[in-house]
Amino acid sequence: GAVVSQHPSRVICKSGTSVKIECRSLDFQATTMFWYRQFPKKSLMLMATSNEGSKATYEQGVEKDKFLINHASLTLSTLTVTSAHPEDSSFYICSARDISGIGETQYFGPGTRLLVL
Amino acid sequence: AQSVTQPDIHITVSEGASLELRCNYSYGATPYLFWYVQSPGQGLQLLLKYFSGDTLVQGIKGFEAEFKRSQSSFNLRKPSVHWSDAAEYFCAVGVGTGNMLTFGGGTRLMVKP
Repeated sequence: GAVVSQHPSRVICKSGTSVKIECRSLDFQATTMFWYRQFPKKSLMLMATSNEGSKATYEQGVEKDKFLINHASLTLSTLTVTSAHPEDSSFYICSARDISGIGETQYFGPGTRLLVL
Repeated sequence: AQSVTQPDIHITVSEGASLELRCNYSYGATPYLFWYVQSPGQGLQLLLKYFSGDTLVQGIKGFEAEFKRSQSSFNLRKPSVHWSDAAEYFCAVGVGTGNMLTFGGGTRLMVKP
């Protein structure tokens, strides 16, 4: 089946530093990837849609200068949390859209736990 | 705008008992429908999906779901629950160009011995 990886799985950083999270589709090409944020005991909140070769589309209320997204290839999207602060601590999950076969399906990565001290 | 409701925040069932998790959606047309499962600290795993055709869909791990247009529902079922099924379950609908997903609030399933 379709596999999506994320790296790192956990990261702890100091306030003010930047953190990069990678999302890779391992066995399929994904022109579109999505970045979500999940708070404890909550559902997923879509942050942005990452399109290969073009600018990401951000959801309302998500700061594009804070959460930089780059989708340089058909198998890799990166999310950089710039000048991270404690309120950015969260669980970040990416998904990649597989358009092969019937319909379109998002496959999710295992998530990245970010803790900003 | 579309919305997804999972009425049950928590459900506890005994191992071996049957399970039904409810999902209702609001959308003007027939959306793509999905069920995902999330274990603690993990990402989401796709259980099953409905795009068209047979309204009863089979998924992995013995799960199935039935699309009922008249009730705008897509309930997830399993005839006999295993302790390893304890997790958070999310129903989602995909709509529009790009199949953007809207998630329900999730249902936490606990399995007692």
